[in-house]
Amino acid sequence: GENVEQHPSTLSVQEGDSAVIKCTYSDSASNYFPWYKQELGKRPQLIIDIRSNVGEKKDQRIAVTLNKTAKHFSLHITETQPEDSAVYFCAASEMNRDDKIIFGKGTRLHILP
Amino acid sequence: DSGVTQTPKHLITATGQRVTLRCSPRSGDLSVYWYQQSLDQGLQFLIQYYNGEERAKGNILERFSAQQFPDLHSELNLSSLELGDSALYFCASTKDPRVGTEAFFGQGTRLTVV
Repeated sequence: GENVEQHPSTLSVQEGDSAVIKCTYSDSASNYFPWYKQELGKRPQLIIDIRSNVGEKKDQRIAVTLNKTAKHFSLHITETQPEDSAVYFCAASEMNRDDKIIFGKGTRLHILP
Repeated sequence: DSGVTQTPKHLITATGQRVTLRCSPRSGDLSVYWYQQSLDQGLQFLIQYYNGEERAKGNILERFSAQQFPDLHSELNLSSLELGDSALYFCASTKDPRVGTEAFFGQGTRLTVV
């Protein structure tokens, strides 16, 4: 089955700097890759997603890149702000098969003042 | 508010007991997922239902079972509870997983086994 590895487990960056979180997946059939943000004590919420027919997607300060050949994808947050502090999860899914969404173990992002 | 409702929010029970967690998906969503989140752990996929039928299974223990009813709400049954089952259990729903739509999470049920 699908396995998603996520690195780093913890990341501290200075406010205003960029943060990068990387994930790899094992099942080459996976074709949908969402990213979720979970603030302390709250539910995970989707922040951006990418499908396998696209190499990069951007939404304001957030971007995701996908390398299908290497089976890895990354989340980039630019100009980080205090409200970006949270746990971020990457995930992989294969649409049209069993569709289960498999998550990485998460990255705890700390934005330092 | 995501539109996904989970009850109860908190549950404290003793080892060996059985509990039922309930999830009502967003209106119109056909698919329900169950995840377990232990302290400082990721979201462990347990099981998925689509329109009343089991669609995918993860590392769900034999002591755990689930079902989705005709009105699309789902229940996760946990039996012979152990201390290690203490965790936050999330339910999520999607409209149609075959097209890769956003999964909306409920607020979770925090289970404490004492």
